[in-house]
Amino acid sequence: QSALTQPASVSGSPGQSITISCTGTSSDVGSYNLVSWYQQHPGKAPKLMIYEVSKRPSGVSNRFSGSKSGNTASLTISGLQAEDEADYYCCSYAGSSTYVVFGGGTKLTVL
Amino acid sequence: QVQLQESGPGLVKPSETLSLTCAVSGYSISSGYYWGWIRQPPGKGLEWIGSIYHSGSTYYNPSLKSRVTISVDTSKNQFSLKLSSVTAADTAVYYCARQGLRTNWFDPWGQGTLVTVSS
Repeated sequence: QSALTQPASVSGSPGQSITISCTGTSSDVGSYNLVSWYQQHPGKAPKLMIYEVSKRPSGVSNRFSGSKSGNTASLTISGLQAEDEADYYCCSYAGSSTYVVFGGGTKLTVL
Repeated sequence: QVQLQESGPGLVKPSETLSLTCAVSGYSISSGYYWGWIRQPPGKGLEWIGSIYHSGSTYYNPSLKSRVTISVDTSKNQFSLKLSSVTAADTAVYYCARQGLRTNWFDPWGQGTLVTVSS
């Protein structure tokens, strides 16, 4: 069982927007603005999409955005494209004893 | 640009020690950042194993801490993972990645290497 809870799957049609939630606790997501999100295509390494809750690395489309409210972080993808179909993982700092926790992953299907 | 490449045996026997190395190019490990190991069992999610700073300071996943050792060789610009007393549950793709200092992001990642634990 993963430390952070994500929905197993979400889906959307091209052009639509979807949101993936990542629920933690007051010991991780709720206490630190250190949530990151990763995209993973089958057979490939994860790719950083969002860091520090809402910052986008250079080269990542502005269709990807992140936010946080309380113990839940969210990744929103707007203007869905076929190439967005992938697994998405959230990750949070969890303090000086646990350090780093990941979510269980969400499979995004573009219909 | 920064690139990472994992290497090591693809097959390890139960109860033995898994050993992997991550070679870094395009960036000097001594210049900063943490350097981490993450694994992914087949068909499952990501699990952070541990990280190391160029000074040798380490921190580990509490659930694996008793079996994990991460070390760094700045002269070769690489860092390594040792996981002892492996079982079939340790079968996974093992990734290395650069980790933001105090910012908890991993980027970039190596391509990953599959390690199977089997007799």
